[in-house]
Amino acid sequence: GNSVTQMEGPVTLSEEAFLTINCTYTATGYPSLFWYVQYPGEGLQLLLKATKADDKGSNKGFEATYRKETTSFHLEKGSVQVSDSAVYFCALGRQETSGSRLTFGEGTQLTVNP
Amino acid sequence: DGGITQSPKYLFRKEGQNVTLSCEQNLNHDAMYWYRQDPGQGLRLIYYSQIVNDFQKGDIAEGYSVSREKKESFPLTVTSAQKNPTAFYLCASRIQGEAPYEQYFGPGTRLTVT
Repeated sequence: GNSVTQMEGPVTLSEEAFLTINCTYTATGYPSLFWYVQYPGEGLQLLLKATKADDKGSNKGFEATYRKETTSFHLEKGSVQVSDSAVYFCALGRQETSGSRLTFGEGTQLTVNP
Repeated sequence: DGGITQSPKYLFRKEGQNVTLSCEQNLNHDAMYWYRQDPGQGLRLIYYSQIVNDFQKGDIAEGYSVSREKKESFPLTVTSAQKNPTAFYLCASRIQGEAPYEQYFGPGTRLTVT
């Protein structure tokens, strides 16, 4: 079946540090890949997405590249800010017989200190 | 503004009582989803619906029920049969069609059962 494995957290960085959160997936065919972000007490917000191999999703300084050869979709940001502190979820989306579904990783808590 | 509304934000119930969580969307999306989130964990799919008057069980449907009488509404009932109902519940929706299958989330309802 489909699965997503994320880098274990929590991750603590200083402001302006480089961020990488690893994500690998298991799925047949060509799933869509997503990063969502969740701020405390809120729902999830779509951060970026990619639909095919070598696609790069980007938003608000975050980037992730769909790597089919390594089945990965690692999230990166060159210089994090305190306001980036949140939980980040990697997810894959596929169409199944009963409709489309997302499969989520367990989330990675990021804390950025001033 | 288009979006997904979940109410209330916080809900408290006594053990043995059924409780219904509201989810409304004005995005004209076809598909709607309910997830459960426990502390430090990813999202688990409870139920989903691709069209009005039709819905499918997700991965953890036991102890829950849903209805989909209107396109914009997808209420979730947590029954007394759910053994551990205290959790954060998230509703999501998406438009039907091709990839990338992203879903848009509401702000969530935190349910506490004592």
